[in-house]
Amino acid sequence: EVQLVQSGAEVKKPGESLRISCKGSGYNFANYWINWVRQMPGKGLEWLGRIDPSDSYINYSPSFQGHVTISVDKSISTAYVQWSSLKASDSAIYYCARIINYSSSAGDYWGQGTQVTVSS
Amino acid sequence: QSALTQPASVSGSPGQSITISCTGTSSDVGTYNYVSWYQHHPGKAPKLMIYNVNERPSGVSNRFSGSKSGNTASLTISGLQAEDEADYYCSSYTTSSTVVFGGGTKLTVL
Repeated sequence: EVQLVQSGAEVKKPGESLRISCKGSGYNFANYWINWVRQMPGKGLEWLGRIDPSDSYINYSPSFQGHVTISVDKSISTAYVQWSSLKASDSAIYYCARIINYSSSAGDYWGQGTQVTVSS
Repeated sequence: QSALTQPASVSGSPGQSITISCTGTSSDVGTYNYVSWYQHHPGKAPKLMIYNVNERPSGVSNRFSGSKSGNTASLTISGLQAEDEADYYCSSYTTSSTVVFGGGTKLTVL
């Protein structure tokens, strides 16, 4: 069974750093890109970027490039998003999703989401 | 890149059909047949309903169908059921090798 399991909820202060994770199982992790998607409170879905676990090649959304870093450790089938200096506006639910194929970039399996709260 | 344009809300009665539109540009929807549709119930992970404009993943009801004309894609749900009430998002691959989502449409089953 394909599963993506994300790390638990986080509460951080502005300026702190954070890394959240997404561990895949039940399939060959290296063969499928991973999307990262954000949902701010009461808002819609936003695409952060995607990563190819086989070679760590990344496409970032222009809206998020420079503010988040997407990475992967294929040896443990885990993808990450990290922030070096959080802002209150980073408070959101973050989802990872396995991409069905590179071109479509459609996410066929999703993680359960990680709630990130940034508050002083 | 701007978000794709979806109506904020649509509604229909059980058994009826509804269509949700998703308008992009020649840099995304108009160039590629890589439009996807997701169903999102609050508090749960989004679910892929349609990909590549009109393909259904295994297990998705054939009441859900997709189409595209020019820069506008559409999701049609036939035989509306109460459990279809959710938020629906379209997304598209773009000429910049990125992905853009629509703003989302809230479907109410009356």
